[in-house]
Amino acid sequence: GESVGLHLPTLSVQEGDNSIINCAYSNSASDYFIWYKQESGKGPQFIIDIRSNMDKRQGQRVTVLLNKTVKHLSLQIAATQPGDSAVYFCAEKSVTGFQKLVFGTGTRLLVSP
Amino acid sequence: ETGVTQSPTHLIKTRGQQVTLRCSSQSGHNTVSWYQQALGQGPQFIFQYYREEENGRGNFPPRFSGLQFPNYSSELNVNALELDDSALYLCASSIDGSGNTIYFGEGSWLTVV
Repeated sequence: GESVGLHLPTLSVQEGDNSIINCAYSNSASDYFIWYKQESGKGPQFIIDIRSNMDKRQGQRVTVLLNKTVKHLSLQIAATQPGDSAVYFCAEKSVTGFQKLVFGTGTRLLVSP
Repeated sequence: ETGVTQSPTHLIKTRGQQVTLRCSSQSGHNTVSWYQQALGQGPQFIFQYYREEENGRGNFPPRFSGLQFPNYSSELNVNALELDDSALYLCASSIDGSGNTIYFGEGSWLTVV
């Protein structure tokens, strides 16, 4: 069945380090991927997205890389800050045109001062 | 701010009861979807509404139903509540269902006792 999984359930980094959060997806027909940040007790917050016709997209301090050959997605956060501490989800969108996002179980990012 | 607001933020219901959760989307967002997020897991797609009609559904039983109103607000109704329905219920909206940025609200925490 459809699944989006993460390699590392918890990632601990020092403030100022660069963080890389990885994600594997299984549906090769998906054409849209999103990274969300979820802080405790809050809803998912959109970080950055990428379409399947791209392999890299940059935002403010964040970069998403997409490798369709191995069905792998990563989120790079530059100069990680304590405020980046949260659970990060990658989500895969079905090509059916619905809003159905398939989420993984998340990676918890812990940033130490 | 995502422009997606949900109410109530927290509620407790008894097994067998019915619950209605509400969502107000961003102006102009004609597609709304609902997700269930159990503790420690990623959100699971329940269904999507486009122009007041359900046009996509995940693996949830019929006792999960919804409505979307002309002003793009929406409701999630759950009948015959079960203990396993305890979760964070998230509303998401976008301009349409074809892949534009999908924004989430902060969610409604439902506890069934």
